[in-house]
Amino acid sequence: DIQMTQSPSSLSASVGDRVTITCRASQDITNYLAWFQQKPGKAPKPLIYAASRLHGGVPSRFSGSGSGTGFTLTIISLQPEDFATYYCQQYINYPYTFGQGTRLEIK
Amino acid sequence: QVQLQESGPGLVKPSQTLSLTCAVSGGSVRTGTYYWTWIRQHPGKGLEWIAYINYSGSTYYKPSLKSRLTISLDTSKNLFSLKMTSVTAADTAVYFCVKEDRGGLNGLDVWGPGTTVTVSS
Repeated sequence: DIQMTQSPSSLSASVGDRVTITCRASQDITNYLAWFQQKPGKAPKPLIYAASRLHGGVPSRFSGSGSGTGFTLTIISLQPEDFATYYCQQYINYPYTFGQGTRLEIK
Repeated sequence: QVQLQESGPGLVKPSQTLSLTCAVSGGSVRTGTYYWTWIRQHPGKGLEWIAYINYSGSTYYKPSLKSRLTISLDTSKNLFSLKMTSVTAADTAVYFCVKEDRGGLNGLDVWGPGTTVTVSS
């Protein structure tokens, strides 16, 4: 299975800050990389697919980049509703695998 | 707009079989580019992909769970299901049904709200 590793595991930031979360794949996944946001008691919400494309309705303050084995999710001008847990996921090979998650907390 | 809704027993005894169903609305399970998927999340933990089935009945299971899983499609009722045999406490989790769109690299783009399964005597 492809291993996905996120860093950091947790992050404290303030409203208005810019944050970056990193995701690394154990092998080349080209751009088959997605990002999800999850709030407590809710299903993950798709944010980004194909490494950099935003799903419909996702605010433009979210952006993704990278290819191969290294990827980033950047959120500029953090809003109160952005504090959540974020997961990356590869979908080039089954079984699909997720990163362990990055918990974004209010400072 | 496709919507998904899981249903399940809530509580299952160890060694029994868990049966989950996902009702699909706003779209057809027979759509060729959609793969119908189950993903679970153990309490306080990350996400684990489990299995998919597509419109033609092709399936893929996570190898470590394969011997205990059966995923199926009911086109007459527009739903898909998962059966897991010989459950243990380690199968306690929230189970999500998810649509994967293979048509444009969209990935896992629609999720159900999830159903909580507890394995306990």
